[in-house]
Amino acid sequence: DVKVTQSSRYLVKRTGEKVFLECVQDMDHENMFWYRQDPGLGLRLIYFSYDVKMKEKGDIPEGYSVSREKKERFSLILESASTNQTSMYLCASSHYYGYTFGSGTRLTVV
Amino acid sequence: AQKITQTQPGMFVQEKEAVTLDCTYDTSDPSYGLFWYKQPSSGEMIFLIYQGSYDQQNATEGRYSLNFQKARKSANLVISASQLGDSAMYFCAMRSDSRGGYNKLIFGAGTRLAVHP
Repeated sequence: DVKVTQSSRYLVKRTGEKVFLECVQDMDHENMFWYRQDPGLGLRLIYFSYDVKMKEKGDIPEGYSVSREKKERFSLILESASTNQTSMYLCASSHYYGYTFGSGTRLTVV
Repeated sequence: AQKITQTQPGMFVQEKEAVTLDCTYDTSDPSYGLFWYKQPSSGEMIFLIYQGSYDQQNATEGRYSLNFQKARKSANLVISASQLGDSAMYFCAMRSDSRGGYNKLIFGAGTRLAVHP
């Protein structure tokens, strides 16, 4: 069964910490995405990648960066976590028509 | 700019009744795809149905159908014979097929559906 795996289901971090959210897919997909989900706002695109070492900003990239050193792994980095980054983070990968989502990481910044 | 609008934050329906969840979209691209996803309380995103902009017929998948009205830029989801397990958050999403779109999905704010017995 194809999978997108996010390393943590729940995460609690302190303000100012550097936070890494990891996402791994086993489908050899070119495209990978990071979204954050907040009530009333739906899913908003933070960053996406269409190839190894290639990245593009989404709609809300401020405060985030990403890394894609290998095709299967796409990492979201919060350089200095802030309380307004408390949210659900969803990773997805795609090969044109098909999208597969991870189960999400609920991040709380205290 | 591309945009998806879901105007119903919450809906409820009686078990076994049909329900329509509204979705309107805005794009200048001639080619695009429209998706509906279901998100139960467990948080997983479950793909329900897909409609391509050039598809002549409305998409159907079991109890789900997509009422696609291209001129009105609407892509409403119809769930027939609602079941208690349909209670969830529902998201409408759009993918642009233009060069440089990179297949990114743009989502609406979602509609929370509650099915009552």
